[in-house]
Amino acid sequence: QSVLTQPPSASGTPGQRVTISCSGSRSNIGSNSVNWYQHLPGAAPKLLIFTNNQRPSGVPDRFSGSKSGTSASLAITGLQSEDEADYYCTSWDESLNGLIFGGGTKLTVL
Amino acid sequence: QVQLQESGPGLLKPSQTLSLTCLVSGGSFSRNSYYWTWIRQPAGKGLEWIGRIFTTGTTNYNPSLKSRGTISVDTSKSQFSLRLTSVTAADAAVYYCARGVVSARFDAIDIWGPGTKVAVSS
Repeated sequence: QSVLTQPPSASGTPGQRVTISCSGSRSNIGSNSVNWYQHLPGAAPKLLIFTNNQRPSGVPDRFSGSKSGTSASLAITGLQSEDEADYYCTSWDESLNGLIFGGGTKLTVL
Repeated sequence: QVQLQESGPGLLKPSQTLSLTCLVSGGSFSRNSYYWTWIRQPAGKGLEWIGRIFTTGTTNYNPSLKSRGTISVDTSKSQFSLRLTSVTAADAAVYYCARGVVSARFDAIDIWGPGTKVAVSS
């Protein structure tokens, strides 16, 4: 069971807005920034959001991140079929002194 | 651009030691803000962080490995390695090597290798 809790699945139709939550604690999200990764089947994970809400160059502005207290969220607007992937949140955990991943959310575009 | 490539055996027997190497090409390897990390994904499961090493030699490991893992770095060859002892079926996974960057405004793993599959079977 992951220290960071994500819903195992999410879905939406093309054009819709979808949000994925990531719940942690004071020792991780409450103390450190959150990053989000997109993992397509057969490919390496890709950095989608860093430092809670920053997008690397090349990531569409349809993707946005936010953090409040011990939780974070990833929002995807204008959902597209190519967004179908697994999404992971990560944060450093002070108690474990290590990086932790959420359990991952499988996004299905209906 | 920077590229990472994992290499190592694809099949191990239980109790053996897993040794993987990640070759880094196309960019700086020894910048102080970089760290080099290993992450794995068992079939059907999520990503799991194994550990990291800075080129200064500082390391951090996932406590769940119970001291079975060791990450080392060879700056002269721009590569780093993972050694995992006493493997069991639970260690079967796709293993990714990756680069992390730590700065005042950025702390994230930004570049990943393609991954290498490791099976454990007697």
